[in-house]
Amino acid sequence: GAGVSQSPRYKVAKRGQDVALRCDPISGHVSLFWYQQALGQGPEFLTYFQNEAQLDKSGLPSDRFFAERPEGSVSTLKIQRTQQEDSAVYLCASSLGVGLAPNNEQFFGPGTRLTVL
Amino acid sequence: AQKITQTQPGMFVQEKEAVTLDCTYDTSDQSYGLFWYKQPSSGEMIFLIYQGSYDEQNATEGRYSLNFQKARKSANLVISASQLGDSAMYFCAMREGNDYKLSFGAGTTVTVRA
Repeated sequence: GAGVSQSPRYKVAKRGQDVALRCDPISGHVSLFWYQQALGQGPEFLTYFQNEAQLDKSGLPSDRFFAERPEGSVSTLKIQRTQQEDSAVYLCASSLGVGLAPNNEQFFGPGTRLTVL
Repeated sequence: AQKITQTQPGMFVQEKEAVTLDCTYDTSDQSYGLFWYKQPSSGEMIFLIYQGSYDEQNATEGRYSLNFQKARKSANLVISASQLGDSAMYFCAMREGNDYKLSFGAGTTVTVRA
C-alpha cells in the first residue's frame, strides 16, 4: 500500500531484552517521527528525522532508546534492556515536508504494540 | 503545563445526531496549526481536519467541522450525522510556530449508538 507501514505489529519481550521496531514511511516523505502512546493516553513525541538527519531526540525517555534512519527512508527504533514501563504503542508518522503548511500533515502507521513482561 | 486539554474522556451519541468534542490549547506563538485525528480500535491515527491560526474561516471536511475560537483558544470538533463507524478515540493536536512535532491531548472516546 501507499501508507506508512510498521513491523512488527505486536511484540512481546522479556524484561532486559533488546527490541527493534521498523517503520517504512510514505515514499518521498522528508520528515519522519516516532511517538510513544501509553494505554489510554495521547501520543508523546520521541524523535524526529529530516531525511537521514536526526534533528530532535528530546523526547527519548532514556539512553536505552535509539533511533536511526541511515538512508533517509526506513527508520528503526531500538530499545535496549527493555523495562516494564516501556510497554506502549510506538507510532511512526511521516510528512512530505516541514513547517505549518497544510500539506505537511503527518500520516501515521498502525503502530507497534510492545509488551514487556 | 498541558498544551492541549480535552476534558471529555468519553461520550455517547445517537446515530444520525451531531456531537461536539471539546479542545482547548495553550500557546504563546502567533502561528500554529490545530489538528484532529481519529483512532479506531485498529490503532491507526487517521487525519480528519486542520485549522491554521491565521485561517479566517472555520475548517470543514465533509461531516467534520472545526469550531475555531481564537480568543478563547478553543478548537472544538463537530461531527454531524454520526455513523456507527465514527465510534473511536478522537485526539486534538497542535503544532506551534515552525516546530515539527505534534502535541496531543488525552483524547475523547466516542461511542455511536444505533
